Amino acid sequence: GAVVSQHPSRVICKSGTSVKIECRSLDFQATTMFWYRQFPKKSLMLMATSNEGSKATYEQGVEKDKFLINHASLTLSTLTVTSAHPEDSSFYICSARDPSGRRETQYFGPGTRLLVL
Amino acid sequence: QKEVEQNSGPLSVPEGAIASLNCTYSDRGSQSFFWYRQYSGKSPELIMFIYSNGDKEDGRFTAQLNKASQYVSLLIRDSQPSDSATYLCAFSPGGSQGNLIFGKGTKLSVKP
Repeated sequence: GAVVSQHPSRVICKSGTSVKIECRSLDFQATTMFWYRQFPKKSLMLMATSNEGSKATYEQGVEKDKFLINHASLTLSTLTVTSAHPEDSSFYICSARDPSGRRETQYFGPGTRLLVL
Repeated sequence: QKEVEQNSGPLSVPEGAIASLNCTYSDRGSQSFFWYRQYSGKSPELIMFIYSNGDKEDGRFTAQLNKASQYVSLLIRDSQPSDSATYLCAFSPGGSQGNLIFGKGTKLSVKP
């Protein structure tokens, strides 16, 4: 299957700082990427859909000014958590859709574990 | 609201047995259905997708889809301890732009 990478895999930061997470499709071009968040023992929750060259679409309840998404190329989407607070500590996972396959199939990156102190 | 219902488990089966995981979905317009496996602390990994009514087999895994009943299942034959994980069912809503609706997952435990 298609390969998606994320960087960093783990980050610890102080409250009030901003953190940028990168999501890359390694062997295919992804016009659409998705960002999810998962709290411990909870289900996967879609935060936003990232489309190359256009503004991201955010799910209800997700603050677009706090979670900045940039999808500047067909292989890279970034999520910036601005002014992070302890309640933002979570497992952030991106996924990408491989256009060569069935269009709804999503491949996930390994995730980024964020801890805000 | 478009939803996926899964029994959260845990489902416990002995090694070598068949594990049966079930999922129901709300959107009759859905065309694509997926099973993902998520190990603790890791991200989801695609196991299978199914689009047509009936069974689809891949190694020890068989996905079953019944669109009339809005039901999809995953059978794991000859279960192994390494199959112990949370299994997420997902579907693509009709008319969507490719996003998936995920269930909360069923935790499977395979006992040696």
